[in-house]
Amino acid sequence: EADIYQTPRYLVIGTGKKITLECSQTMGHDKMYWYQQDPGMELHLIHYSYGVNSTEKGDLSSESTVSRIRTEHFPLTLESARPSHTSQYLCASSESGRVRGYTFGSGTRLTVV
Amino acid sequence: TQLLEQSPQFLSIQEGENLTVYCNSSSVFSSLQWYRQEPGEGPVLLVTVVTGGEVKKLKRLTFQFGDARKDSSLHITAAQPGDTGLYLCAGSYNTNAGKSTFGDGTTLTVKP
Repeated sequence: EADIYQTPRYLVIGTGKKITLECSQTMGHDKMYWYQQDPGMELHLIHYSYGVNSTEKGDLSSESTVSRIRTEHFPLTLESARPSHTSQYLCASSESGRVRGYTFGSGTRLTVV
Repeated sequence: TQLLEQSPQFLSIQEGENLTVYCNSSSVFSSLQWYRQEPGEGPVLLVTVVTGGEVKKLKRLTFQFGDARKDSSLHITAAQPGDTGLYLCAGSYNTNAGKSTFGDGTTLTVKP
């Protein structure tokens, strides 16, 4: 049973549309992350959060934005989707303190046409 | 510049063979994780190692953290088709930043 949930699993949208990818976790983790990954490739950090009202940009430049109003919820928004945004988006969370590993969601596979 | 380099990048073997995957860096990590990811799913944590020289075993998988905490290896004994997937290592620093740096991955295919 998953403790971190991402919706939708798959999304195909047109260029210029605004979309929000949802991520929720039930483990009470303070830290949450968004990664972008092309199939079979490495993960690139695009956003992270240390807790409520804390968000930071990651190593990979992204046109997306995030918010963290509640501990359990960390949505990612694209104001105007482009074909270059086509990718898999993975949400993860971890406990406070020293990193002992992440729990990942199943991902959202986004295709922008 | 890739901070964590994994080798080999691709590996295709027959069921029953042994294999080793390497994760190397010039940086010292406070801990290192190994994940396995299946197509269309998120990575699943296999193990965390924190002490230089540490060896952990998980059934047919053996993980080792280098003495200097800059590198790690994953050895699989008698590989099975169910071991097929993308193996990722990730290193973390001793800060409260809580960010891990991921390697570029090793794609393993085990043929029946």
